[in-house]
Amino acid sequence: KNQVEQSPQSLIILEGKNCTLQCNYTVSPFSNLRWYKQDTGRGPVSLTIMTFSENTKSNGRYTATLDADTKQSSLHITASQLSDSASYICVVSEPGGSYIPTFGRGTSLIVHP
Amino acid sequence: DTEVTQTPKHLVMGMTNKKSLKCEQHMGHRAMYWYKQKAKKPPELMFVYSYEKLSINESVPSRFSPECPNSSLLNLHLHALQPEDSALYLCASSATAAYEQYFGPGTRLTVT
Repeated sequence: KNQVEQSPQSLIILEGKNCTLQCNYTVSPFSNLRWYKQDTGRGPVSLTIMTFSENTKSNGRYTATLDADTKQSSLHITASQLSDSASYICVVSEPGGSYIPTFGRGTSLIVHP
Repeated sequence: DTEVTQTPKHLVMGMTNKKSLKCEQHMGHRAMYWYKQKAKKPPELMFVYSYEKLSINESVPSRFSPECPNSSLLNLHLHALQPEDSALYLCASSATAAYEQYFGPGTRLTVT
């Protein structure tokens, strides 16, 4: 069964600090991996999307890395802001037309002033 | 326009009511999705439409009935729901299946 495991489950940091979220997956074959940010009660917003041939992708203060050999990804947030408080979800997809993505349970990030 | 819109934002309905959730996108995407999300849980895929045809139904109860009138619109018809169906219902679209999904803001549904 395809699985996506995220860690930590929750994280509290001070404003201005950096943090790194982890995502390990067993999805195989692998098409792409996406990181989403979801504010409470709102729809997820895409941060990055990477295929198996990409090692890193940046979007402003967010940088995602991917190691397709070890099936690990990380999301690094630089100089955190209060608005970064949200749930961060890792989603992994298989190739092919019958598309069923596998969602991680998310990491809940709280940024304190 | 890179937006997926959903209406209504909030919906409260009784167990005998019939209501519909609506989703719209104008990005030319040919795949559209319905997800159900409970608090502090990841979204659960319910239905996938590809080129206006239902391609995936994740064993969803028949009290949920999807409809895709055209390539821009996706509806979810609700009938005889249960209180445990209360959740955030998310619509998403992508260029085709397996491409990046764009999510709408969701409809917060409460069944009383």
